[in-house]
Amino acid sequence: AQSVAQPEDQVNVAEGNPLTVKCTYSVSGNPYLFWYVQYPNRGLQFLLKYITGDNLVKGSYGFEAEFNKSQTSFHLKKPSALVSDSALYFCAVSYGRRSQGNLIFGKGTKLSVKP
Amino acid sequence: NAGVTQTPKFRVLKTGQSMTLLCAQDMNHEYMYWYRQDPGMGLRLIHYSVGEGTTAKGEVPDGYNVSRLKKQNFLLGLESAAPSQTSVYFCASSKQETQYFGPGTRLLVL
Repeated sequence: AQSVAQPEDQVNVAEGNPLTVKCTYSVSGNPYLFWYVQYPNRGLQFLLKYITGDNLVKGSYGFEAEFNKSQTSFHLKKPSALVSDSALYFCAVSYGRRSQGNLIFGKGTKLSVKP
Repeated sequence: NAGVTQTPKFRVLKTGQSMTLLCAQDMNHEYMYWYRQDPGMGLRLIHYSVGEGTTAKGEVPDGYNVSRLKKQNFLLGLESAAPSQTSVYFCASSKQETQYFGPGTRLLVL
């Protein structure tokens, strides 16, 4: 069965420091992997995705993620965190017919960036 | 281009009442989805549609019905609301892999 795990409920980072939000997955076959961000009282916004190709994927707002097949991970990273990055981050994996985009989401990681 | 819109934004229901949540998208996407978001649970798929006139069950379909009579609209119905259906409901649409989400509907069932 497909599954996604985000092992940290919350990540605290000081502004200007690098940040990492962890995600591991379990899928059969080649995964389609996604990161979404949710600001308070808002819907989810797409950040980036890995379908195929280069293991390092660059996305919106300076975020990037590294696909690691051997460790079945897709960690979200940013070199220098901003206070405005504080939000809830969701990792997701696609299942079923890939073109339908059915997603399984992790439980989310709350990122808190302090000045 | 409004993207994905949802109505209403907030609703309070009494147990046993019915209601319909409306989702509309103006991106000409084939696929549409309804999720619920509960604290510590992430998003869970309720129902989805791969095209006008078609619907399918997701992970947590019980207590909900859906209809996709027009390509741009996807309706989620609660025939007899229960307190366990208190949640935030999100609609999404996609053309291929990437889903685009609406702002959500907060539902409280008393």
